[in-house]
Amino acid sequence: GAVVSQHPSRVICKSGTSVKIECRSLDFQATTMFWYRQFPKQSLMLMATSNEGSKATYEQGVEKDKFLINHASLTLSTLTVTSAHPEDSSFYICSARSPGTAHTEAFFGQGTRLTVV
Amino acid sequence: SQQGEEDPQALSIQEGENATMNCSYKTSINNLQWYRQNSGRGLVHLILIRSNEREKHSGRLRVTLDTSKKSSSLLITASRAADTASYFCATDPDQFYFGTGTSLTVIP
Repeated sequence: GAVVSQHPSRVICKSGTSVKIECRSLDFQATTMFWYRQFPKQSLMLMATSNEGSKATYEQGVEKDKFLINHASLTLSTLTVTSAHPEDSSFYICSARSPGTAHTEAFFGQGTRLTVV
Repeated sequence: SQQGEEDPQALSIQEGENATMNCSYKTSINNLQWYRQNSGRGLVHLILIRSNEREKHSGRLRVTLDTSKKSSSLLITASRAADTASYFCATDPDQFYFGTGTSLTVIP
């Protein structure tokens, strides 16, 4: 099946710094990628939908300036957590879907565990 | 916002028993999917059922969908310790909105 690679898998950063998380579709072109956040023992919360070549669509309550999303190519979307604070510590997961496949599964990355100290 | 809710939130069974999890959702869907997540890992796709389907099987998994009740169930038969994980349903239109998840523990 299709593979989505997410990097890094774990990152620890200091408060006030920025962290970039990459999501790559390895064997297909993804016009749309999704970014999720998951708190411990909770479900995945959709943060934003990333569209190649255009601005991301953010869910209500998600700070656009805090979570910068760039989808510059059909195989790469990045999420940058700017000026990170301890409350940003979480598990972030991306997913991607092939274009023209409305009724199929999304492919998920393995997630990035961010710890802000 | 989350679309679905799974029930129960936690389930503990003995190995060999069957496990049933339910998912309810709120709006019209194109399809519904079940995913599995081991602790601290990404999601693994288990099965997709389209809105015009009522039942689907895959190995030890059986999924039903009742669009009139906006609900789905996932049955895992002859459970194994390795089935211990969290299970989520996700609905599709366009974005995937996840339910709250069922934490399944299979005791050897």
